[in-house]
Amino acid sequence: GQQVMQIPQYQHVQEGEDFTTYCNSSTTLSNIQWYKQRPGGHPVFLIQLVKSGEVKKQKRLTFQFGEAKKNSSLHITATQTTDVGTYFCAPRKGGSTLGRLYFGRGTQLTVWP
Amino acid sequence: KAGVTQTPRYLIKTRGQQVTLSCSPISGHRSVSWYQQTPGQGLQFLFEYFSETQRNKGNFPGRFSGRQFSNSRSEMNVSTLELGDSALYLCASRGLQGGVGEQYFGPGTRLTVT
Repeated sequence: GQQVMQIPQYQHVQEGEDFTTYCNSSTTLSNIQWYKQRPGGHPVFLIQLVKSGEVKKQKRLTFQFGEAKKNSSLHITATQTTDVGTYFCAPRKGGSTLGRLYFGRGTQLTVWP
Repeated sequence: KAGVTQTPRYLIKTRGQQVTLSCSPISGHRSVSWYQQTPGQGLQFLFEYFSETQRNKGNFPGRFSGRQFSNSRSEMNVSTLELGDSALYLCASRGLQGGVGEQYFGPGTRLTVT
């Protein structure tokens, strides 16, 4: 499978603090998707990044794709308790089918009030 | 549109038994993928079906199999269950019209093997 490292594995923050998770690949990626899984829930698609250096924002969430298309990050500004969950990156290499995702191990975010 | 549905939601089986899990994709979606989620291994791809054909298979033993029906509903079967098969089994469907290939996951089937 595709080698991807997602760090950190766990992150505990106080409400209002910022949070960042990183996804690093050893090879160039075609694109990368991000998913969020709430405790007891299932993964939910957040976004897909395709272009080198791409930056996308969704309210307090900022997603970046590296210039070399080997790494990506998700940054949450001023976390809220609703942000609790595990954030997964799902990188894709060229040639792989759309229905097959390789997920990172995820970053489990805990937010205390 | 209704989301992806999976049945049953919870299942307890004994080692050596077999199990069949069912997944109904979002209406109009023809691609169904299956994933196994465990605390130790994370989310791992099992297989993908499109129009009743298996397009891709992950690195799992032959005890894991699946199929897709003409209405796009899919089933996966695990034979000769082992303790290590205890996991959350997730299916995901994907549409072809527009979108970016995002997958829509069902709530999962929690399988416990004793």
